[in-house]
Amino acid sequence: DQQVKQNSPSLSVQEGRISILNCDYTNSMFDYFLWYKKYPAEGPTFLISISSIKDKNEDGRFTVFLNKSAKHLSLHIVPSQPGDSAVYFCAGGTSYGKLTFGQGTILTVHP
Amino acid sequence: DSGVTQTPKHLITATGQRVTLRCSPRSGDLSVYWYQQSLDQGLQFLIQYYNGEERAKGNILERFSAQQFPDLHSELNLSSLELGDSALYFCASSADTGGEEKLFFGSGTQLSVL
Repeated sequence: DQQVKQNSPSLSVQEGRISILNCDYTNSMFDYFLWYKKYPAEGPTFLISISSIKDKNEDGRFTVFLNKSAKHLSLHIVPSQPGDSAVYFCAGGTSYGKLTFGQGTILTVHP
Repeated sequence: DSGVTQTPKHLITATGQRVTLRCSPRSGDLSVYWYQQSLDQGLQFLIQYYNGEERAKGNILERFSAQQFPDLHSELNLSSLELGDSALYFCASSADTGGEEKLFFGSGTQLSVL
């Protein structure tokens, strides 16, 4: 039972353009959602989060959008930079602290 | 540096063996989580401990067990190892004060079962 799905295993984008990473979920009990970034040989690091009562959260070049009716969230990176190349995981969280992660999307930003 | 320390970084062992993975959480964090990442899989939640007590259990096999000690470090024990147990095992910690919890991850232990 995959409660969080990232249907695109990979995404390739040109430097300076927008990267859009998508995530779908089935569990209506999630109170908030997070995006994590992971470089090789490192653990995932927190990027940005959004409460389930909001539809948008912005932090610099990173914006997360939440569409509750569609059970869909997306991460926009503008402008994309080569250093953004990494694996991106979305996750849903509940008040108990446990996060449920998607499978991840490999983002490659070409110079 | 997340502040979460995992040892060892790499572990190579044989089928049928038992190994112990260790995790030291960030200073002050009471919750410890264990996740498994296999090829083509996301981060699969195994188990969570809060201040020494088991709080939540995920898809953890009966051959696997964990505990959190009074100093808050945690160990994940994997026994009767099979080839399919080869994976990257992550530990994470959080303050678990309620609300939106950010988990801080260690750099993982790469387990190879031969």
